[in-house]
Amino acid sequence: NAGVTQTPKFQVLKTGQSMTLQCAQDMNHNSMYWYRQDPGMGLRLIYYSASEGTTDKGEVPNGYNVSRLNKREFSLRLESAAPSQTSVYFCASSERGGNYGYTFGSGTRLTVV
Amino acid sequence: GEDVEQSLFLSVREGDSSVINCTYTDSSSTYLYWYKQEPGAGLQLLTYIFSNMDMKQDQRLTVLLNKKDKHLSLRIADTQTGDSAIYFCAEGDSWGKLQFGAGTQVVVTP
Repeated sequence: NAGVTQTPKFQVLKTGQSMTLQCAQDMNHNSMYWYRQDPGMGLRLIYYSASEGTTDKGEVPNGYNVSRLNKREFSLRLESAAPSQTSVYFCASSERGGNYGYTFGSGTRLTVV
Repeated sequence: GEDVEQSLFLSVREGDSSVINCTYTDSSSTYLYWYKQEPGAGLQLLTYIFSNMDMKQDQRLTVLLNKKDKHLSLRIADTQTGDSAIYFCAEGDSWGKLQFGAGTQVVVTP
């Protein structure tokens, strides 16, 4: 049982380049989330998807777009990367209405130069 | 939104007990959680407590909840070097959506 899988694990982009971070879960969870983690700032929610077919903005959505491709997959796209988007990105999933918390992926470390 | 606050850093000697504190503001929280993040890894769920409980014990971990003061704590008995990590407190609503604190960096010294 893989849980939540994120790809790639590491990426270096030049300013202005675009890329998509991939996330897939195999636990049949309804809800999925994208966070970024920066030193001293904890986890900040970028976007979330409460169920297949819906997406909503979180705390820091500017510069990002998301796609809930199906129940398993939730991707995060940077259309024109900026150095301020250098961060570690985590995907998580949960059962809607469940109380078992979130299951996190192992993260993508992104550097924008 | 609602806030979850934690102290940022805790230093503890190996073999001592660690106590990590957290305060939250949403009185409608149904569950409260503690996550552990080791260097270079994602967050792993350590334990959780239902909001109508006062205490939960799980091996070396003890969670105390004071609902009146909206205060949550995690006690780690006999702290080991492998307990060095960032610990996140989180509150969950009835939909299962979580709000995280900024994390407490725990450093265990020999």
